[in-house]
Amino acid sequence: AQSVTQPDIHITVSEGASLELRCNYSYGATPYLFWYVQSPGQGLQLLLKYFSGDTLVQGIKGFEAEFKRSQSSFNLRKPSVHWSDAAEYFCAVGAGDTGRRALTFGSGTRLQVQP
Amino acid sequence: NAGVTQTPKFRVLKTGQSMTLLCAQDMNHEYMYWYRQDPGMGLRLIHYSVGEGTTAKGEVPDGYNVSRLKKQNFLLGLESAAPSQTSVYFCASSSGTGRETQYFGPGTRLLVL
Repeated sequence: AQSVTQPDIHITVSEGASLELRCNYSYGATPYLFWYVQSPGQGLQLLLKYFSGDTLVQGIKGFEAEFKRSQSSFNLRKPSVHWSDAAEYFCAVGAGDTGRRALTFGSGTRLQVQP
Repeated sequence: NAGVTQTPKFRVLKTGQSMTLLCAQDMNHEYMYWYRQDPGMGLRLIHYSVGEGTTAKGEVPDGYNVSRLKKQNFLLGLESAAPSQTSVYFCASSSGTGRETQYFGPGTRLLVL
């Protein structure tokens, strides 16, 4: 069974600083990987996804993520954080070859942005 | 195109009461899911459906039942609510093609006293 680990429960960065959120996954085959963002009291919005091909994936709101198979990682990055980026971020892995195709989520990383 | 909608947005129940959460999608998606979100635990799959008339258990199905009588609707029922079911419930849908994105509803916050 697949699993996802987000080692950082809470991260605080200054506005304008760079950001990297870590995600490690466990899955036997090539995974489908996702990053979602959840603003307070809101649902989940897809930031970006990786299925195959180029290992550097661009998403919305200036985010990008890099798939590293050798490290089983899919870290999310942003060069310059804005105050509106404060939210909770979830990494997820999907197993496209299983019948249910549900996602397995990490426990999330809460991002706080200091002015 | 409303995407995925959930009813109600918030509900307070007493232990032992029953209720039904409604999820509706207008994207003609085959797959629908119910997740629960608890602090520090991410989202966990309760039940899912791969098409009209079908349902299956996820990781945490105990205490819940589901029905998918119409393709666009996926209902989650709590027959006898317990405080451990206090959570935020999210519905999601996807096309089921294998590389699909899951689209999430806004969530239902449930408090069981």
